[in-house]
Amino acid sequence: EADIYQTPRYLVIGTGKKITLECSQTMGHDKMYWYQQDPGMELHLIHYSYGVNSTEKGDLSSESTVSRIRTEHFPLTLESARPSHTSQYLCASSETTQALFFGEGSRLTVL
Amino acid sequence: KNQVEQSPQSLIILEGKNCTLQCNYTVSPFSNLRWYKQDTGRGPVSLTIMTFSENTKSNGRYTATLDADTKQSSLHITASQLSDSASYICVVSDRGSTLGRLYFGRGTQLTVWP
Repeated sequence: EADIYQTPRYLVIGTGKKITLECSQTMGHDKMYWYQQDPGMELHLIHYSYGVNSTEKGDLSSESTVSRIRTEHFPLTLESARPSHTSQYLCASSETTQALFFGEGSRLTVL
Repeated sequence: KNQVEQSPQSLIILEGKNCTLQCNYTVSPFSNLRWYKQDTGRGPVSLTIMTFSENTKSNGRYTATLDADTKQSSLHITASQLSDSASYICVVSDRGSTLGRLYFGRGTQLTVWP
């Protein structure tokens, strides 16, 4: 059982609101990732981090931002949510590329 | 263009039956291929990891095969159970860096009926 947690699991908010999706892992993994997943589509990497104070943008352009102040914590923030941000956001961590450990996901709906 | 193609897109089978899911990839260079199971509303969970030299690997009722020459992989599920209903995602990693870049398929949605 992977020890990686995401909150909230579900969030419905209005346009223009600021939101932060939390992700924490207790496995001591240096590498953490945020993926966006829409129904029937592949996962798209939006942010990743190799360690503390290291963050990079992924393949899919995203208006969100991330921070990595502590090894175990990798929050994702949207300053002003829009309906186009409606999606499932999956956080993951890994020691190497041999396996990703995913959280349960945060399903965001922006009205 | 997605470099990992999975088929079928969806599949319905009766409980107790076997099924095979396919994954074709064009990713090069190749490092490893993984199959993940994603239950509805949950995060993906790794089932198997296969490297270039491995042809077959089993995990309980799940058996994955890899043909690195034809760049094809399959996931065979034996004696299906209702709990096997999920999306099965094929993920290929290249050797471009120490991290390796990951290429995701869109998944096969498997439904097992009683």
